[in-house]
Amino acid sequence: GAGVSQTPSNKVTEKGKYVELRCDPISGHTALYWYRQSLGQGPEFLIYFQGTGAADDSGLPNDRFFAVRPEGSVSTLKIQRTERGDSAMYLCASSLAGPTGELFFGEGSRLTVL
Amino acid sequence: GQQLNQSPQSMFIQEGEDVSMNCTSSSIFNTWLWYKQDPGEGPVLLIALYKAGELTSNGRLTAQFGITRKDSFLNISASIPSDVGIYFCAGVDDKIIFGKGTRLHILP
Repeated sequence: GAGVSQTPSNKVTEKGKYVELRCDPISGHTALYWYRQSLGQGPEFLIYFQGTGAADDSGLPNDRFFAVRPEGSVSTLKIQRTERGDSAMYLCASSLAGPTGELFFGEGSRLTVL
Repeated sequence: GQQLNQSPQSMFIQEGEDVSMNCTSSSIFNTWLWYKQDPGEGPVLLIALYKAGELTSNGRLTAQFGITRKDSFLNISASIPSDVGIYFCAGVDDKIIFGKGTRLHILP
């Protein structure tokens, strides 16, 4: 499709497990962003890639969170030893050039940690 | 860190009414973006503002980039049922920061 694609759309896991969330950006978009959105809140910045490299990872809450974009296209957000507080909607967005570019969001991956 | 304050947090209006919401910041931004989010979906870009003082329209939506570069407002004219949702402002500097949203409800 033409838009940003995120999988899975829903993920339920148990506390302590490892989780991977995938984002496939719009073709040709060099910038890719991960945001986390809790209920009733706005999207909270996690990490921004320009090409293959993480240009800004200052939003990652701790070292259990890691993201990669090895070929400058698809990105994977990895969460180790999940905690109940990690439950949220994880949104991916891409832009033609960033961070001044307009963001186009996927539909998100809803993570629930039991 | 940078924070954006959106007001009001919620609005309950009658269909056909005009709507006004705003966003303020303690920091200067180079670009302001306005998004709408429907339940279960990601935010969708409505309007982008790139220059202080800029006034931009998109159909029934009008947004302005404040002269001080620390605020922006969004107006919706003649609201219709599909306008229901959460409206987010976002300020762009070296990263893109979102406000907490204004929830728009339309009374039957």
